[in-house]
Amino acid sequence: AQSVSQHNHHVILSEAASLELGCNYSYGGTVNLFWYVQYPGQHLQLLLKYFSGDPLVKGIKGFEAEFIKSKFSFNLRKPSVQWSDTAEYFCAVNKVGGSQGNLIFGKGTKLSVKP
Amino acid sequence: EPEVTQTPSHQVTQMGQEVILRCVPISNHLYFYWYRQILGQKVEFLVSFYNNEISEKSEIFDDQFSVERPDGSNFTLKIRSTKLEDSAMYFCASTQAMKADTQYFGPGTRLTVL
Repeated sequence: AQSVSQHNHHVILSEAASLELGCNYSYGGTVNLFWYVQYPGQHLQLLLKYFSGDPLVKGIKGFEAEFIKSKFSFNLRKPSVQWSDTAEYFCAVNKVGGSQGNLIFGKGTKLSVKP
Repeated sequence: EPEVTQTPSHQVTQMGQEVILRCVPISNHLYFYWYRQILGQKVEFLVSFYNNEISEKSEIFDDQFSVERPDGSNFTLKIRSTKLEDSAMYFCASTQAMKADTQYFGPGTRLTVL
């Protein structure tokens, strides 16, 4: 069965620190990849997505992610975090073709940014 | 910007009772989904819905669950006889046209079964 692994459960950073959140998936076929963010008390919002093309994708709020097919990874990065980035971050994939697009989520990584 | 909305935001019910969770997807979207997140666990897919029928469902989506699009705007999830383990956050999502496109999520309904 397909799965998504997020390596860090809780990450604590100071403002201006760099961020990298790991995400690996297990599925041999073609996938679409997503990072969603959930700010406290709010709903899941799309940060960025990868469908095809340039494996380095840029999202909102200065986030980017790199798809490395050989490593089945889609790590999220931000060079300098802000207090307002405090949230929970979810990596998700869905299969291309054959499925109606249901997302498979990782467990999420809680990011706390200290001012 | 159009959003997916869900009501109620919090539902408390007694074990064995029926609940209906409501969602209004984005108006020009055609694919609809329900997910749930038990506290401390992953967001899990329940069911997808297209053209007035279920497209796909997970193992979680057993006979006690049903979905319906009763009119042109609402998309509902019914749990016939709730169990304690149904306590979770339930998220509705929709996509515009193509399956496997970006899914837009609602704010969720927190269901508490006592």
